[in-house]
Amino acid sequence: GDSVTQTEGQVALSEEDFLTIHCNYSASGYPALFWYVQYPGEGPQFLFRASRDKEKGSSRGFEATYDKGTTSFHLRKASVQESDSAVYYCALGSTGYQNFYFGKGTSLTVIP
Amino acid sequence: GGIITQTPKFLIGQEGQKLTLKCQQNFNHDTMYWYRQDSGKGLRLIYYSITENDLQKGDLSEGYDASREKKSSFSLTVTSAQKNEMAVFLCASSIDWGGSYEQYFGPGTRLTVL
Repeated sequence: GDSVTQTEGQVALSEEDFLTIHCNYSASGYPALFWYVQYPGEGPQFLFRASRDKEKGSSRGFEATYDKGTTSFHLRKASVQESDSAVYYCALGSTGYQNFYFGKGTSLTVIP
Repeated sequence: GGIITQTPKFLIGQEGQKLTLKCQQNFNHDTMYWYRQDSGKGLRLIYYSITENDLQKGDLSEGYDASREKKSSFSLTVTSAQKNEMAVFLCASSIDWGGSYEQYFGPGTRLTVL
């Protein structure tokens, strides 16, 4: 079945460090790929989406590029801030019966 | 813009009790979802509803019932709460059913079963 895998469970960085959170997917065709961010005490918030190969999604300084060849949608940010501390979820939307799958999340802590 | 409201924010129940969680959205979205969030396990789909009066089971539907009597509201019932159960239940909506539409989430209901 369709699935999403986030490699890192927890990431700790210093301010101004470069961030990469890895996301790989398994699905047929061209599923839509998403990144969400969840702050403590809140529900996840939609960051951005990409729907076709080589499409780049971006928001708030974060970006990811849809890569069908490597089945990946890695989240990157050039310079993280303490306010970026949150849990990040990669998600896949497919045309199957259960159409949305979330990864297990990556907890980012940015140390000032 | 719009908002999703979940009530109650905190829910404490006894083992075996039937508990109901409520969700309201004013986006005028067709599709609504219930997810369970456990630490380290991400979000797991319990039920979703493509439109008013429609109900579809997700992977985690056993032990739960759902109800969508109005377009704007979606309720979830824990049919028999399990002792030591602790999780956050998240309600979400999207403009339509289909994997290409982003979902908007409420703040969650935190359940504790004593």
